[in-house]
Amino acid sequence: SQTIHQWPATLVQPVGSPLSLECTVEGTSNPNLYWYRQAAGRGLQLLFYSIGIDQISSEVPQNLSASRPQDRQFILSSKKLLLSDSGFYLCAWTLDKHEQFFGPGTRLTVL
Amino acid sequence: RKEVEQDPGPFNVPEGATVAFNCTYSNSASQSFFWYRQDCRKEPKLLMSVYSSGNEDGRFTAQLNRASQYISLLIRDSKLSDSATYLCVVNLNAGNMLTFGGGTRLMVKP
Repeated sequence: SQTIHQWPATLVQPVGSPLSLECTVEGTSNPNLYWYRQAAGRGLQLLFYSIGIDQISSEVPQNLSASRPQDRQFILSSKKLLLSDSGFYLCAWTLDKHEQFFGPGTRLTVL
Repeated sequence: RKEVEQDPGPFNVPEGATVAFNCTYSNSASQSFFWYRQDCRKEPKLLMSVYSSGNEDGRFTAQLNRASQYISLLIRDSKLSDSATYLCVVNLNAGNMLTFGGGTRLMVKP
């Protein structure tokens, strides 16, 4: 069966510091991968999605970037965090255009 | 108009009650529809897909109305454990992305 991992689970970072969040999927090949952010009390905002290695599409302009160095690895990064980057970051996967499955998320607080 | 719109609630209902949520979507060509459940500070989890003919899973029934561009979720015999936020999710343009509604919060009281 497929599983999706994210780490770290929680993170507290100062403004201006770098960020690296990792997501890995097991038990499937060539998944579509997604990064979402959910601000407190808000809906999910799609940040990036990837249909294959080194194929990344960005949905919103921001100071975040994403990379997919391996088929089942998706990384979200920032060189300098802003206060507005605080939120709940969720990675998801799907094999086709149907339902997506989410990882446990990373709760980021930027101080 | 939002692409996928839900009443944010909260819906406060007693145990055993029947409660229904609606969700409207903007693109009449949308093909895939889902309900997800999200508990506080947790990731969304797929509750059920919504098929054209409607479908039922235990106490949960999902329906699709293409003519009016809405989907619904009916929960019968509400349990305390049903308290959560319910997300309406639509594949609006048959591409690789899903669009999430803002969620409807349900609180079931004893």
